[in-house]
Amino acid sequence: AQSVTQLGSHVSVSEGALVLLRCNYSSSVPPYLFWYVQYPNQGLQLLLKYTTGATLVKGINGFEAEFKKSETSFHLTKPSAHMSDAAEYFCAVSGSGGGADGLTFGKGTHLIIQP
Amino acid sequence: DGGITQSPKYLFRKEGQNVTLSCEQNLNHDAMYWYRQDPGQGLRLIYYSQIVNDFQKGDIAEGYSVSREKKESFPLTVTSAQKNPTAFYLCASGPGQGPFFGQGTRLTVV
Repeated sequence: AQSVTQLGSHVSVSEGALVLLRCNYSSSVPPYLFWYVQYPNQGLQLLLKYTTGATLVKGINGFEAEFKKSETSFHLTKPSAHMSDAAEYFCAVSGSGGGADGLTFGKGTHLIIQP
Repeated sequence: DGGITQSPKYLFRKEGQNVTLSCEQNLNHDAMYWYRQDPGQGLRLIYYSQIVNDFQKGDIAEGYSVSREKKESFPLTVTSAQKNPTAFYLCASGPGQGPFFGQGTRLTVV
């Protein structure tokens, strides 16, 4: 079985500062890894994903994440936070079906941007 | 425009009543999913379907039922057997390598 741990249910950064959201996973098979963003009362939007190949993945809105197999981590970063980045962020991992049988999500991290 | 439509956005029901949530997609995806979201709990998989007329239970299927009679549609019924049905329900479709999500239905049982 797979699981996802997101460290910190709330993260607060100043506008213009580095954003770092942490995600660690466990999986018995080579994982596919995902970051999604959710704005209040809306669905989830895919930010980026790692399937195979390059371990540094670039996504939308200036976000990127690095797959580190040795650390079982997939942390999300953005060099400079913007007020519009305030939202809930979810890390997710696929199962043995490569995601066809659904994803396992972390509990989410609420990102707060201080002006 | 292609996408996933969930309706209604807000739904109120009395305790003990069954209620059906609609999910329609025009993305021509084979796979569809239902997730439940509770505050601070992330998303949990209820049911999924990889092809028409076939579906499988997810991690929290008890008290829920689904059907998949058409490729475009994957309705979810919350039955009276679901002990705590108040939640935000999200439908998704698409490849396992990054499914697309609808806008969700917030169900409140009073």
